Amino acid sequence: QIQLVQSGPELKKPGESVKISCKASGYTFTDYAMHWVKQAPGKGLKWMGWINTYTGKPTYADDFKGRFVFSLEASASTANLQISNLKNEDTATYFCARMIRATGGFDYWGQGVMVTVSS
Amino acid sequence: DTVLTQSPALAVSPGERVSISCRASEGVNSYMHWYQQKPGQQPKLLIYKASNLASGVPARFSGSGSGTDFTLTIDPVEADDTATYFCQQSWNDPRTFGGGTKLELK
Repeated sequence: QIQLVQSGPELKKPGESVKISCKASGYTFTDYAMHWVKQAPGKGLKWMGWINTYTGKPTYADDFKGRFVFSLEASASTANLQISNLKNEDTATYFCARMIRATGGFDYWGQGVMVTVSS
Repeated sequence: DTVLTQSPALAVSPGERVSISCRASEGVNSYMHWYQQKPGQQPKLLIYKASNLASGVPARFSGSGSGTDFTLTIDPVEADDTATYFCQQSWNDPRTFGGGTKLELK
């Protein structure tokens, strides 16, 4: 069955970096774009951008340009999100989500990774 | 950015019909999708492209609308439907989500 399995929770200090992984299984990884979504505690969902899993080209929403990097380990069917120079406001759960081709909806989601930034 | 506006909360009794609205600040054609999120869980796709039921989702859920006004309907509501419901558009960049409607059962 199709699954997106993300890495475990992270506790980091301001200024540090974190790398989150999202391992896909049950389908051809390069056939579907992978998107990233942020959810701050008790808040709604915010789209961060996406990565073309065939070409590796990332696209970032404006609020996520600069410190955020989407990457792939295509041979391992894994998408990664790296956040550098962490700030308190990066404290959130980060989800990866597979996009349905031709509609833009997200049909499968990872379980989410809670990143806590605290001194 | 396309702003999606949802009512913050609704309370209904089991067995009733409930409609959750989502209004877009600009047209999104039919590229509106609905998700259910329970506490501590990832969102689950219910409806894609305004009115298409996602795989495995009960037929009690339905979606309608186009342009700027969209509705998710649950009929009849069951106790397990207690959750927050989000709309999301994929017609305009950046993709945006509504603020969510928390559905509580009386």
